[in-house]
Amino acid sequence: DQQVKQNSPSLSVQEGRISILNCDYTNSMFDYFLWYKKYPAEGPTFLISISSIKDKNEDGRFTVFLNKSAKHLSLHIVPSQPGDSAVYFCAGGKDTGRRALTFGSGTRLQVQP
Amino acid sequence: NAGVTQTPKFRILKIGQSMTLQCAQDMNHNYMYWYRQDPGMGLKLIYYSVGAGITDKGEVPNGYNVSRSTTEDFPLRLELAAPSQTSVYFCASRGTGGADTQYFGPGTRLTVL
Repeated sequence: DQQVKQNSPSLSVQEGRISILNCDYTNSMFDYFLWYKKYPAEGPTFLISISSIKDKNEDGRFTVFLNKSAKHLSLHIVPSQPGDSAVYFCAGGKDTGRRALTFGSGTRLQVQP
Repeated sequence: NAGVTQTPKFRILKIGQSMTLQCAQDMNHNYMYWYRQDPGMGLKLIYYSVGAGITDKGEVPNGYNVSRSTTEDFPLRLELAAPSQTSVYFCASRGTGGADTQYFGPGTRLTVL
């Protein structure tokens, strides 16, 4: 049972344009969601998070939107830069228990100069 | 402050061999995790620990064992390696705050032939 899904394995955008990465979830019990960025041969690094009681969180060029009724979240990167080229993972987490993360399968973003 | 460190970076095992993947963190985090990432997939939880002396299974624990004798160290033991254990292994840690993010190590790429 895939509780977190990223249906687009890859995305290509031009430098300076907006990148929109999407994520769907089935578990309504998540307390928060996070986006991680991963470069080849490195571990995932935290990018931005959002509480399940919010609908938007912004940090510089990165904004995450949460639509609870649709069980959907998205990451917007504006403007996109070549250094943003990486694999982006969406994850859901809970404030209690083991506090482990449930990850989607990732979306590879390629930003073309 | 080194964060989360993992050794080795790469390893090739023969079927039936055993090995221990090392993980250490210097952030005094109580929670530690082992994930594996197969190609095109998200990270899946193998084992986790909520503090020294306390460990429990995640979603994919078969073929693995862990121990947590100190806050800093969380080694993962593979007994009788099988080709299905070919994967990239990530160790992570987090603090006890409500929405504390997980910090990941650089990963160990394991191939079982």
